[in-house]
Amino acid sequence: NAGVMQNPRHLVRRRGQEARLRCSPMKGHSHVYWYRQLPEEGLKFMVYLQKENIIDESGMPKERFSAEFPKEGPSILRIQQVVRGDSAAYFCASSPPGTKPEKLFFGSGTQLSVL
Amino acid sequence: GENVEQHPSTLSVQEGDSAVIKCTYSDSASNYFPWYKQELGKGPQLIIDIRSNVGEKKDQRIAVTLNKTAKHFSLHITETQPEDSAVYFCAERDSGYALNFGKGTSLLVTP
Repeated sequence: NAGVMQNPRHLVRRRGQEARLRCSPMKGHSHVYWYRQLPEEGLKFMVYLQKENIIDESGMPKERFSAEFPKEGPSILRIQQVVRGDSAAYFCASSPPGTKPEKLFFGSGTQLSVL
Repeated sequence: GENVEQHPSTLSVQEGDSAVIKCTYSDSASNYFPWYKQELGKGPQLIIDIRSNVGEKKDQRIAVTLNKTAKHFSLHITETQPEDSAVYFCAERDSGYALNFGKGTSLLVTP
C-alpha cells in the first residue's frame, strides 16, 4: 500500500510564475490536508479537502493560493504569481473516510524555492 | 487552539538515556494530542497520540502523558538509540479540522 505521494519533490520558480503541487492520498483515503513548513518552524495548516469539496480553508492566504481535490486525480495546491516568501516545504497528508482529522499520514513534501 | 509551546528546541542525550519533550497549549477545548517524528528530507510520521480522556499512553519505549488541568503534555522516550535522532513535533486539535503544531525539538542521540 503506497503512502501519500507528492510531486515534484523540489520545485524552483522565479518570482511571478505559477507553482502547482500535486498530492495523491493513500489508497482508500478520501480526506486531504495541506500544510506549509517554514525553516525552523512547525507545520501550519492551510486547507482540508474531501473529494470535490473544500471543507476548511481557514489557513489559506486570501490571494494567489487555491486548492482542489477533483473526483479523479490528485489534489492540487496552486500558487499564482509566486513571491520569495512562498519558499517553504509544502506537505500533504491524508486520512481515511469517516474519521476525524486525526492519525494523518504525511507525504515527503514538495520543497518550493522562489528565486 | 493555535498556541502550542514546545521545549526544548534542541536536546542531546547519550544512547540509553531517556529524553523528555514538553508542550503546553492554551485552548481548553483541545482534545487530541499527537506526536510526530520527522527525519531529514521526509514528512512527519505519527509515533503516538493521546485523547483528552486519557492521562497516559505507552507504546514500547515511547510514552505520552497529558495533564489537562495544567494544559501540558509530554513525550518520553526511554533507552534512546541513535535512530531516535530526528525532529519531534507535538500538536493539538480542538473541535476544528486543523492540527496546530509546536516548533519542534531536534533530538540528537549520541553513541
